[in-house]
Amino acid sequence: DAGVIQSPRHEVTEMGQEVTLRCKPISGHDYLFWYRQTMMRGLELLIYFNNNVPIDDSGMPEDRFSAKMPNASFSTLKIQPSEPRDSAVYFCASSLSPQGGDYGYTFGSGTRLTVV
Amino acid sequence: SQKIEQNSEALNIQEGKTATLTCNYTNYSPAYLQWYRQDPGRGPVFLLLIRENEKEKRKERLKVTFDTTLKQSLFHITASQPADSATYLCALGDGNKLVFGAGTILRVKS
Repeated sequence: DAGVIQSPRHEVTEMGQEVTLRCKPISGHDYLFWYRQTMMRGLELLIYFNNNVPIDDSGMPEDRFSAKMPNASFSTLKIQPSEPRDSAVYFCASSLSPQGGDYGYTFGSGTRLTVV
Repeated sequence: SQKIEQNSEALNIQEGKTATLTCNYTNYSPAYLQWYRQDPGRGPVFLLLIRENEKEKRKERLKVTFDTTLKQSLFHITASQPADSATYLCALGDGNKLVFGAGTILRVKS
């Protein structure tokens, strides 16, 4: 397996534009997580899915953020409209169990988002 | 309030020495604790898991301890090498998800 695949690796956009981040989890992993990482706040959980169903979206900062998982092999995180404070690295991770168990979470390489 | 605290300052050590990183937590009752390594521009990579009923876990040059009374985990890298330089994050379970500490930067100098 190629691991968790995220695209794009880098995204630079203007304030007010829509941004869509993409993730392909590891096949067979039932859990998918979206995290955001900044210097000030570290890794923050935004939302997670179990078997394609959103379970906990309490970390989503506001209504400008939305996430979907239409099937077991694809998820998107959308920001509309984007703001400069959304600039961060966004990670997708997948796992066999909600807390990772003996194998932990497998993270993608992240998308570095810059909103100017 | 709930907190996970890791050394905020970078740890600089000489090659061959043992590096010890600390993870303290408050107002969590994790059944287990995990350690991850993160290199610049990459996502965290899972290293080790230790359960609440395990005092110590080893994997090659890595050793992790978990003291639920002190609410602390220690992460040791013995015979450290420059290739061990990275940020190390601890993570613990909170309900059905993992919560991560901010990480400690380790620099191993040759």
